[in-house]
Amino acid sequence: AQKVTQAQTEISVVEKEDVTLDCVYETRDTTYYLFWYKQPPSGELVFLIRRNSFDEQNEISGRYSWNFQKSTSSFNFTITASQVVDSAVYFCALSEPQGAQKLVFGQGTRLTINP
Amino acid sequence: DAGVIQSPRHEVTEMGQEVTLRCKPISGHNSLFWYRQTMMRGLELLIYFNNNVPIDDSGMPEDRFSAKMPNASFSTLKIQPSEPRDSAVYFCASSLRVGYGRSGNTIYFGEGSWLTVV
Repeated sequence: AQKVTQAQTEISVVEKEDVTLDCVYETRDTTYYLFWYKQPPSGELVFLIRRNSFDEQNEISGRYSWNFQKSTSSFNFTITASQVVDSAVYFCALSEPQGAQKLVFGQGTRLTINP
Repeated sequence: DAGVIQSPRHEVTEMGQEVTLRCKPISGHNSLFWYRQTMMRGLELLIYFNNNVPIDDSGMPEDRFSAKMPNASFSTLKIQPSEPRDSAVYFCASSLRVGYGRSGNTIYFGEGSWLTVV
């Protein structure tokens, strides 16, 4: 069975600090996809990134970066120079390659950036 | 391009009433998902459709819940009769699934329908 664990329930930092959100996953599939979504206080789920299991290159998008390590089954998300607008709940998710790629979500990490 | 559109955004209803949530997926997408978010259970998949056909409804909690997709641009999730424990945020999502295997697709979510049953 697939499982996603986000051990950090809540993180609170001061603006401009760097912060890393952890994500550990379990799957028996050799091909799979990993996602991060952001849920701001307004409630919508915003897609941030999708990573294929056969591509272990790290990715950077502005202040956001993702570190994918297959050896440790982790897909961590780092925000550099955090801003108040980054405050949200962040979800890591895993999907299977077959079928309709339904997502299995972690429990989410609530990130609060204090001014 | 318009994203996934859900209605209503907020609904408050009395126990026993019928509730219908509506979803318009992104044009051209062929997979549609209904998720529910609660504090206790987090985000869980209720049902998903591929090419308007229900593929897996194992997440539907009980017979009070039903979902339909009469065409590629519209889906409904109905709860009849509603109960207070159905209070949650219901998300509709869609994706374009192309083939099998390595062709993973991004799943885009609507803004959610916030349901309160009193």
